[in-house]
Amino acid sequence: AQTVTQSQPEMSVQEAETVTLSCTYDTSESDYYLFWYKQPPSRQMILVIRQEAYKQQNATENRFSVNFQKAAKSFSLKISDSQLGDAAMYFCAYGTQGGSEKLVFGKGTKLTVNP
Amino acid sequence: DVKVTQSSRYLVKRTGEKVFLECVQDMDHENMFWYRQDPGLGLRLIYFSYDVKMKEKGDIPEGYSVSREKKERFSLILESASTNQTSMYLCASSFEREGRETQYFGPGTRLLVL
Repeated sequence: AQTVTQSQPEMSVQEAETVTLSCTYDTSESDYYLFWYKQPPSRQMILVIRQEAYKQQNATENRFSVNFQKAAKSFSLKISDSQLGDAAMYFCAYGTQGGSEKLVFGKGTKLTVNP
Repeated sequence: DVKVTQSSRYLVKRTGEKVFLECVQDMDHENMFWYRQDPGLGLRLIYFSYDVKMKEKGDIPEGYSVSREKKERFSLILESASTNQTSMYLCASSFEREGRETQYFGPGTRLLVL
């Protein structure tokens, strides 16, 4: 069974600085997707960024980028120029291609942004 | 924009009560999911459905059932609520477009069972 591990329960960063959240996963599949979701306090969970495993190029979305290392089964999220609104729980998730489209989530990393 | 709504943000029930949590999505998504979220445990899948009247067990289905009579609506049922079902419940929906699956989440229902 696939597993997703986020080894940092909590992280903090100063406003305007850069922070990297770690995620590793375990799978025997070759085609899959990886996601980072953000859940602000008392607000809806939203997708931050998505990576297809067959793509070598790392995904980027504005200040958010990933470092996808397929051989190492690592999928870290880098947040540049951190803003107060980035404070949230961040969940890493794994999904297989096709089939029932289930996602396996990590336990989450709580990010605090200090002014 | 995709919209996933859940019938209640907060709910207080007593042990043994039958509880219904409703989820509605407005984007004609095929797939719908129910998760529970607990501190330190992340999100755990309870049930999911990939079509009307179809359902599949997730990782923690015990004590729960689901109903999907219409494509846009997916209900989670606690037949006899227990205190260990106190949790945050998240509904999500998705469709596969060009193989790029993304799940869209509702705001969540925080359930307290006394």
